[in-house]
Amino acid sequence: GIQVEQSPPDLILQEGANSTLRCNFSDSVNNLQWFHQNPWGQLINLFYIPSGTKQNGRLSATTVATERYSLLYISSSQTTDSGVYFCAVERIWSRDDKIIFGKGTRLHILP
Amino acid sequence: KAGVTQTPRYLIKTRGQQVTLSCSPISGHRSVSWYQQTPGQGLQFLFEYFSETQRNKGNFPGRFSGRQFSNSRSEMNVSTLELGDSALYLCASSHRTGQENTGELFFGEGSRLTVL
Repeated sequence: GIQVEQSPPDLILQEGANSTLRCNFSDSVNNLQWFHQNPWGQLINLFYIPSGTKQNGRLSATTVATERYSLLYISSSQTTDSGVYFCAVERIWSRDDKIIFGKGTRLHILP
Repeated sequence: KAGVTQTPRYLIKTRGQQVTLSCSPISGHRSVSWYQQTPGQGLQFLFEYFSETQRNKGNFPGRFSGRQFSNSRSEMNVSTLELGDSALYLCASSHRTGQENTGELFFGEGSRLTVL
């Protein structure tokens, strides 16, 4: 099945810093999403981005489907950005047609 | 528009018991999928339902089962609970259809199960 690797596993930054989180996947995918898991466990949608670039305020994401990776950029970090960031991929019409999550990047923003 | 609603939010069971978790999707969404999150295994896909039919199933034992009703609400059941079933169980809904099998997932707040 598809392998999803996220890096770095942990990241500690000072408030105001910028960060780049990476998601590599081992095969072509039809669906890729980025989520932020809040302290209560809920997965909050950030981007639905199977390809291309999207921006939402201080966050942006780029997926290069042909090279099998996606990047999540966080600019001017705030303490509320702390938490775990997951990418999830899906490949339809395959034996492994199911959502596969990476292990996440745990982000700590220090005040 | 109401989000995905999961009940109960927290529950404690003992080994050997069974548990039923409920998920109400976003209005208009017909696809519901379930996930288990544990510190050791991370987020793992359990199964997906669309129009009351199971579309896909993850690598979990038969003790884990689910169903979907005509109003798209879904339940999952775990029988003969084991300590290792302690986890956060997350439900997601999507507007995906039978033909277009991709679509953005929207998650509920989860049901945190503790097995003693």
